[in-house]
Amino acid sequence: GNSVTQMEGPVTLSEEAFLTINCTYTATGYPSLFWYVQYPGEGLQLLLKATKADDKGSNKGFEATYRKETTSFHLEKGSVQVSDSAVYFCALNAGNNRKLIWGLGTSLAVNP
Amino acid sequence: KAGVTQTPRYLIKTRGQQVTLSCSPISGHRSVSWYQQTPGQGLQFLFEYFSETQRNKGNFPGRFSGRQFSNSRSEMNVSTLELGDSALYLCASSPTRDRGGYTFGSGTRLTVV
Repeated sequence: GNSVTQMEGPVTLSEEAFLTINCTYTATGYPSLFWYVQYPGEGLQLLLKATKADDKGSNKGFEATYRKETTSFHLEKGSVQVSDSAVYFCALNAGNNRKLIWGLGTSLAVNP
Repeated sequence: KAGVTQTPRYLIKTRGQQVTLSCSPISGHRSVSWYQQTPGQGLQFLFEYFSETQRNKGNFPGRFSGRQFSNSRSEMNVSTLELGDSALYLCASSPTRDRGGYTFGSGTRLTVV
């Protein structure tokens, strides 16, 4: 079946450090891939998405490239800020339904 | 443009009771989905509605049900509450049934005591 695996947290970085959160997936066909972010006490916000192989999603300095050959969609940011502290979820949508399959989330803490 | 609105934000219920949660999607959005988020199980799909019809259902017992109205607003109901139903329930909407991504509400935090 379809599944998403993302690196376990928590991840703790200093401000301005480089961020990578790994995400790999298993899916039939050609899924759409997403990164969502959840700030404390809030719902989920769509951070970026990619709908086909080699697409690069980007938003707010975050980037992720849809790599079909490695079934990966790693999240990167060149210089994190304290305000980036949150939980990040990788997700996919495959097939004919609208069901999102989620990773378990990676907690990021950025220290000043 | 208003976002996805979920009410109430917080709810405390007693085991055995039933509860109804409400979701108002973004204006013009016709697809509404519900997810349960718990520390142990993460995010799990409950169901999806489009044009007042349930299109998909997750692996939850029949105590979990939902519906969608003609204005696309949706409700979910949980009957005979159990302690394990304590969770954050998230509603999400999108304009169509394509795979472009959802907009989520802030959720309803349900605590069953």
